[in-house]
Amino acid sequence: DGGITQSPKYLFRKEGQNVTLSCEQNLNHDAMYWYRQDPGQGLRLIYYSQIVNDFQKGDIAEGYSVSREKKESFPLTVTSAQKNPTAFYLCASRGGTGSSDEQFFGPGTRLTVL
Amino acid sequence: GQSLEQPSEVTAVEGAIVQINCTYQTSGFYGLSWYQQHDGGAPTFLSYNALDGLEETGRFSSFLSRSDSYGYLLLQELQMKDSASYFCAVNDYKLSFGAGTTVTVRA
Repeated sequence: DGGITQSPKYLFRKEGQNVTLSCEQNLNHDAMYWYRQDPGQGLRLIYYSQIVNDFQKGDIAEGYSVSREKKESFPLTVTSAQKNPTAFYLCASRGGTGSSDEQFFGPGTRLTVL
Repeated sequence: GQSLEQPSEVTAVEGAIVQINCTYQTSGFYGLSWYQQHDGGAPTFLSYNALDGLEETGRFSSFLSRSDSYGYLLLQELQMKDSASYFCAVNDYKLSFGAGTTVTVRA
């Protein structure tokens, strides 16, 4: 089955600790994205990568970092510099340009910082 | 940057028709997408309009007017399972999402 996996589904961390969220896709997609969603809100773009070894900041990149060493993987690190890290984090990928431009989303990781 | 406006909530009964409007301001534009998200789940793709006009996919249709920077999602023959949040998103090689419209379907 092709798709996007994120792990873990729920994650708890103490304030001041860095934490890395996993995102893996086997869809052979070039582009990958990280979004943050707060309760009752839309999705806000954190970082995106259109190709391996390249990534760009989104609208709310402060306090986050990413890497894209492999096409399949786009891990997100939430650093201690992120002031309010508790949120629902969604990873997505997209294939080449096409008529639909559909983004496929993983199941998400719900991060709670205590 | 981008900004998108859509209503925050809509309530309707089973079998009814609901239209969710979306207006946008953007510096770049390839198309307008719509996503559905059930509570606690991941967004799933519904439709995409790159050109003006209506796209129909089963009970759901989406419309775009590029000159008016406006689009809408039409949900027909509403079912209880359609209760969810619906997001419009502007595509300019990355997606910028609206805040979402919560649709509640009542029996």
